[in-house]
Amino acid sequence: GAGVSQSPSNKVTEKGKDVELRCDPISGHTALYWYRQSLGQGLEFLIYFQGNSAPDKSGLPSDRFSAERTGGSVSTLTIQRTQQEDSAVYLCASSLRANSPLHFGNGTRLTVT
Amino acid sequence: RKEVEQDPGPFNVPEGATVAFNCTYSNSASQSFFWYRQDCRKEPKLLMSVYSSGNEDGRFTAQLNRASQYISLLIRDSKLSDSATYLCVVNSGTASKLTFGTGTRLQVTL
Repeated sequence: GAGVSQSPSNKVTEKGKDVELRCDPISGHTALYWYRQSLGQGLEFLIYFQGNSAPDKSGLPSDRFSAERTGGSVSTLTIQRTQQEDSAVYLCASSLRANSPLHFGNGTRLTVT
Repeated sequence: RKEVEQDPGPFNVPEGATVAFNCTYSNSASQSFFWYRQDCRKEPKLLMSVYSSGNEDGRFTAQLNRASQYISLLIRDSKLSDSATYLCVVNSGTASKLTFGTGTRLQVTL
């Protein structure tokens, strides 16, 4: 497909478990962003990748959150020891280059019980 | 002061009306500006970029006021299908972080 692909689309996990969210950006897009959106709230910036490096990870809420990007393509966001407040929709977006328009995936809805 | 601020609304307007939203930003060095549209429980979709000289796309007009540090979106001849939340997006100066406003909700009614 031509768009940004995220998996899984839904994830229910028990408090304390680790989860891994995947994002497959549009081919050729060098910039990749992770955001999260809680119900009825705005988008909260988590981390930005340019190629494989993360020049800005200022939005990661705690050290339980980490992300990596390999081969300048697929990115994985990992949340360790999940907490109920981690429940949100995690959105990935890619763009041709930094500060270009973002193209979003459908998101992963994470529910921590 | 928040990096990007929007009036949350809701703006309730009848079909055919003209409506305008503003969005203020705090970083005077910001260079990239966008308007996105988000429907309920969907991902945001790009509506339009905002250029220094202002730009128009059909019924939608975007403008940038650097002196007062705000961008605006004007929608003419509102349609029911325009009902959505409109998000403004601004980059953080020289950094490449794109910050979203919390959005302005528009409800167009018959």
